[in-house]
Amino acid sequence: EPEVTQTPSHQVTQMGQEVILRCVPISNHLYFYWYRQILGQKVEFLVSFYNNEISEKSEIFDDQFSVERPDGSNFTLKIRSTKLEDSAMYFCASSDLGGRMSEQYFGPGTRLTVT
Amino acid sequence: AQSVTQPDIHITVSEGASLELRCNYSYGATPYLFWYVQSPGQGLQLLLKYFSGDTLVQGIKGFEAEFKRSQSSFNLRKPSVHWSDAAEYFCAVGRNNAGNMLTFGGGTRLMVKP
Repeated sequence: EPEVTQTPSHQVTQMGQEVILRCVPISNHLYFYWYRQILGQKVEFLVSFYNNEISEKSEIFDDQFSVERPDGSNFTLKIRSTKLEDSAMYFCASSDLGGRMSEQYFGPGTRLTVT
Repeated sequence: AQSVTQPDIHITVSEGASLELRCNYSYGATPYLFWYVQSPGQGLQLLLKYFSGDTLVQGIKGFEAEFKRSQSSFNLRKPSVHWSDAAEYFCAVGRNNAGNMLTFGGGTRLMVKP
């Protein structure tokens, strides 16, 4: 069964460093998402992406964050200068349809630890 | 703004017993509702969804959920719980717009006693 994959599974970085989290969505999907879950808190929406541009972003997704689909298979989340509070599990998701029919498939997550 | 509340943070049931996990939502229009399950170290797996039509929806692993507009609820049920159902369960509401943002509840951790 097709699945969303994410690498790395765990990333440790120092405060102020740049990190890139990578995702390979399901191959025929057209809509891509990033969510995060700080330990003990809710899963929170960061951004959605379609047709090579951001469709929607949350307040969390400030200028320190960016997303890119550098080729036909990868979808990346970059954090330019990490802060301690960026430590969280980051989930990538994809869907083949948008709007009301959107059924999002999630990857296993990347645990980001900022020290 | 949309929101989801899962009143029970932890629930413990005996194997073979029935289960109901509560979910209440707040959303101004017709909601699109989902239940996801997260096993330790795993991603979020979709159990079932409600878009429209029959208010009782069937999902995978023997789960079902009932949409009740009058109560703004979408409770998840299973008639007989198995030890492998121990996990964290998340209710979510989606918006019908280009962004497709999902808003999640805080989750309910289910423990199953032998």
